[in-house]
Amino acid sequence: DTEVTQTPKHLVMGMTNKKSLKCEQHMGHRAMYWYKQKAKKPPELMFVYSYEKLSINESVPSRFSPECPNSSLLNLHLHALQPEDSALYLCASSRTGTGTVETQYFGPGTRLLVL
Amino acid sequence: GDSVTQMEGPVTLSEEAFLTINCTYTATGYPSLFWYVQYPGEGLQLLLKATKADDKGSNKGFEATYRKETTSFHLEKGSVQVSDSAVYFCALSLRETSGSRLTFGEGTQLTVNP
Repeated sequence: DTEVTQTPKHLVMGMTNKKSLKCEQHMGHRAMYWYKQKAKKPPELMFVYSYEKLSINESVPSRFSPECPNSSLLNLHLHALQPEDSALYLCASSRTGTGTVETQYFGPGTRLLVL
Repeated sequence: GDSVTQMEGPVTLSEEAFLTINCTYTATGYPSLFWYVQYPGEGLQLLLKATKADDKGSNKGFEATYRKETTSFHLEKGSVQVSDSAVYFCALSLRETSGSRLTFGEGTQLTVNP
């Protein structure tokens, strides 16, 4: 089973709202990733967690706040977003995320619209 | 820095035509190479990968060979179907001590007409 699930599939929020995106995997992977993908562009890495610790933060604005409560779950908390933050948010996971090249498995994404 | 260059799209083919999508890379070390596919409205799916020179990755009739001498990883399929219509991303990954980082090409949109 190489499934990564993401909820919700679609989200519409105002600029003053607070919302969260959720990602889950049951492959026993210890690395999880958040990506942002704009239309007709490749995914851009935002955050990487390895063994529940934040290992990479690609200078993402503080209105995006990641959280990894356990090895299977990854959240992205959203607050005071801007319309330009509208995009497809993808979660991925890999075996460990440390010291070796690994295959990343992606979820279906959450399509976010900020009004 | 590390980078991936893909042939520009969009690419439009008729069903059963031969497909080639070119991909070349620049990397400071010895990367692993990947092709991901993104169907409309979906996330990325791993299509195939190769981890060292001369490796051939294959899946669902698609193939790509890791050519170190030409720094290339071109994607090929002998006979495309309408269901292959999607965006294809070439990507590389280098071993890092902290996090496994993918560098993507810009993507190539493929449309297959019946």
